[in-house]
Amino acid sequence: DAGVIQSPRHEVTEMGQEVTLRCKPISGHNSLFWYRQTMMRGLELLIYFNNNVPIDDSGMPEDRFSAKMPNASFSTLKIQPSEPRDSAVYFCASSDALLGTEAFFGQGTRLTVV
Amino acid sequence: GEDVEQSLFLSVREGDSSVINCTYTDSSSTYLYWYKQEPGAGLQLLTYIFSNMDMKQDQRLTVLLNKKDKHLSLRIADTQTGDSAIYFCAERSRSGGYNKLIFGAGTRLAVHP
Repeated sequence: DAGVIQSPRHEVTEMGQEVTLRCKPISGHNSLFWYRQTMMRGLELLIYFNNNVPIDDSGMPEDRFSAKMPNASFSTLKIQPSEPRDSAVYFCASSDALLGTEAFFGQGTRLTVV
Repeated sequence: GEDVEQSLFLSVREGDSSVINCTYTDSSSTYLYWYKQEPGAGLQLLTYIFSNMDMKQDQRLTVLLNKKDKHLSLRIADTQTGDSAIYFCAERSRSGGYNKLIFGAGTRLAVHP
């Protein structure tokens, strides 16, 4: 397996634009996590899914953020409208349902909102 | 609540030992982890410890767990320049029947000659 795949790796967008980040989890994993990393706040859990169902979205900062998982092999994190303070690295991670010993991370998407 | 805390920076000389400390709040955590992040990359699992253990050794890495104080540490022996990275402590927290990983802010380790 190629691991967790995120796209794009880098995104630069203007304030007010819609941004969609994509994630393909490892095949067979049925838990998926979206994290945001900033210098100020470290690594924050935004939302996680189990069997494509959102379990906990309490970390989603505002209504401008939304996440979907239409099937077991794909998830999106959307920001609409984007703001400069959304600039961060967004990570997707996947694990088996029990989160036994490891969550596997993608390479991240570096988002810059200007 | 769930919270993981760790110091933000550590600077060591090459060849010395590094010790990165972490405290967590969820006493029911069954697994505790150390992840490593190199520049421009995602997080990779370095090692983990099960909560019924108090020590785990893996080559140059030693993990110590004090469950009473909810304190976790990572010791890197003979630290090399390639060990320069951000190290994240994480606890596996259970909520509503599901597991999730809660991370600390990360400790940036700088290794100098």
